[in-house]
Amino acid sequence: SYELTQPPSLSVSPGQTASITCSGYKLDDKYVNWYQQKPGHSPVVVMYEDSKRPADIPERFSGSNSGNTATLTISGTQALDEADFYCQTWDSNTVVFGGGTKLTVL
Amino acid sequence: EEQLLDSGGDLVQPGGSLRLSCALSRVSLTAYAMSWVRQAPGRGLEWVASVGGSGTVTYYAGSVKGRFSISRDNSKKTIFLQMNSLRADDTAVYYCAKGGGGPSDVFDIWGQGTMVTVSS
Repeated sequence: SYELTQPPSLSVSPGQTASITCSGYKLDDKYVNWYQQKPGHSPVVVMYEDSKRPADIPERFSGSNSGNTATLTISGTQALDEADFYCQTWDSNTVVFGGGTKLTVL
Repeated sequence: EEQLLDSGGDLVQPGGSLRLSCALSRVSLTAYAMSWVRQAPGRGLEWVASVGGSGTVTYYAGSVKGRFSISRDNSKKTIFLQMNSLRADDTAVYYCAKGGGGPSDVFDIWGQGTMVTVSS
């Protein structure tokens, strides 16, 4: 079965750039979506089809997908960006989620 | 504003059954694929099952295939997840989500989640 691999955690200082990676075999042959989940809340999509940003998501969020790695980039990271982030794709009629990355802003 | 309202979560014994429901706020949502995604306590997101807009096409994660069944009643704007032969590792918050219908689909609306606990 297809797997997506994310680093379990990432720490950045406020104002820095956070790059969250998601790896999978020939991942750039697929679309990747990204979700942000804050404690006690349902997930929210922050990026879809690799690099498309929903209208209500700040411009500091961007996405890319090349080779075996998709990346969600948060420029000028703010304290309110602290959350768990999950990548997701589709393979062989199944939905696949990455294991999630806990982003800490300190 | 489009909303999803999950319900039906409960405490159930191992081997038992439970049916979850997801109410759609608008008729327009009946045209879209819908899914269930679960999250065990302290763990990540796990896709469970998806159903196409008409209800005829369904997909399941290997961990639930043969035990769970997803369906929809568009006349009642409701999605269902019938869960049988429940096990302790099915314990999780179950989210209904719009999406999961194919490679270019995205989960862009989520319910608030309903808790399922499997324990004796």
